[in-house]
Amino acid sequence: ETGVTQTPRHLVMGMTNKKSLKCEQHLGHNAMYWYKQSAKKPLELMFVYSLEERVENNSVPSRFSPECPNSSHLFLHLHTLQPEDSALYLCASSPGDQETQYFGPGTRLLVL
Amino acid sequence: AQTVTQSQPEMSVQEAETVTLSCTYDTSENNYYLFWYKQPPSRQMILVIRQEAYKQQNATENRFSVNFQKAAKSFSLKISDSQLGDTAMYFCAFMKHRNAGNMLTFGGGTRLMVKP
Repeated sequence: ETGVTQTPRHLVMGMTNKKSLKCEQHLGHNAMYWYKQSAKKPLELMFVYSLEERVENNSVPSRFSPECPNSSHLFLHLHTLQPEDSALYLCASSPGDQETQYFGPGTRLLVL
Repeated sequence: AQTVTQSQPEMSVQEAETVTLSCTYDTSENNYYLFWYKQPPSRQMILVIRQEAYKQQNATENRFSVNFQKAAKSFSLKISDSQLGDTAMYFCAFMKHRNAGNMLTFGGGTRLMVKP
């Protein structure tokens, strides 16, 4: 247990569905992240929030919409996804700048 | 932009033996951090070891140690006395010094199999 939890752990959705992934950290950290891990590709950073403000958005399609209502919670809202969006979505948090990131267990997403 | 390269897609080692995983990176930064993460079959990403670029001394954590060669931009991981539980994907990662938010750039990973 790293202190970062993600729900759901598994999700199957159709291309017309809307769903949300949730991440919660119990570590008092100030920064939170979404990563995408696809087969045969390096982990890709999607979004970074520092002190609840979005710092980075690495050219992620608009069908992915992040939300950070407070420093402990991070959401990834999904709508009209494509089959190629099927992947493991990892959330991470860190105490602040130049600090180690701690990862959650991930949500395995399958888009049909 | 930073790149991280792990040239060994798969490796295997006998239990109790020593194995070294390679990692090279490319950056124009002088201040940065390097990490090794482990991802076992459970898919949980676990920090193994961290190195600050300004430190000349190689980081160690129990059976895990690194060989950090800044000039060569090399950051290898040595696992001593390998155990079955070390079987996992190992990712090398780079983070540059920033004021807001940490950008981790990952390598493609090395799949390590520890054989009994």
